[in-house]
Amino acid sequence: QKEVEQNSGPLSVPEGAIASLNCTYSDRGSQSFFWYRQYSGKSPELIMSIYSNGDKEDGRFTAQLNKASQYVSLLIRDSQPSDSATYLCAVNSGYSTLTFGKGTMLLVSP
Amino acid sequence: GAGVSQSPSNKVTEKGKDVELRCDPISGHTALYWYRQSLGQGLEFLIYFQGNSAPDKSGLPSDRFSAERTGGSVSTLTIQRTQQEDSAVYLCASSLAGVEGGGLSYEQYFGPGTRLTVT
Repeated sequence: QKEVEQNSGPLSVPEGAIASLNCTYSDRGSQSFFWYRQYSGKSPELIMSIYSNGDKEDGRFTAQLNKASQYVSLLIRDSQPSDSATYLCAVNSGYSTLTFGKGTMLLVSP
Repeated sequence: GAGVSQSPSNKVTEKGKDVELRCDPISGHTALYWYRQSLGQGLEFLIYFQGNSAPDKSGLPSDRFSAERTGGSVSTLTIQRTQQEDSAVYLCASSLAGVEGGGLSYEQYFGPGTRLTVT
């Protein structure tokens, strides 16, 4: 059974710090990896996609992928209170469906 | 362009009644997904439609749940004889899956959801 694991948190960081969110997955054949942000009472919003080993940067967000370790992470630089949300990791393993983790709650304090 | 739309945004129904939830995917997206999210819980996959292929119904929790997709576009999720445990937010997502292939085609975009409350 394909699994995606995330620490439920909450992860608390002060404003301006780097938030590091981690995700591990069980299916070694996984090919595509996604991070979604979900504010309380809202639906998930796609914020990052990564398909090959290494880092991918988009503004204050950096996704990191290490397929050998079956590990994907999301770094948020200069964290803002508006970044406070639940971050969902999702993995695709060659079919059109995604397997989602349960999410990590991030709290950024002013 | 327009995103995924869902209606109604909120639905309150009495136990035992049937409900229909609607999803209109992004234009050109061939894949459509239904999820359920109970309060404080993760996403629970329900059903997946891809083009004209038979849907993947492996996530439907009981035979009270059914879904259809007409003309490869709009989808309706029907819950018969609703129970209190059906109360949740029902989310629809769509993707390009199968159109272009590769990672981009698997990016799922979610609608705003329908909050279902069964009293």
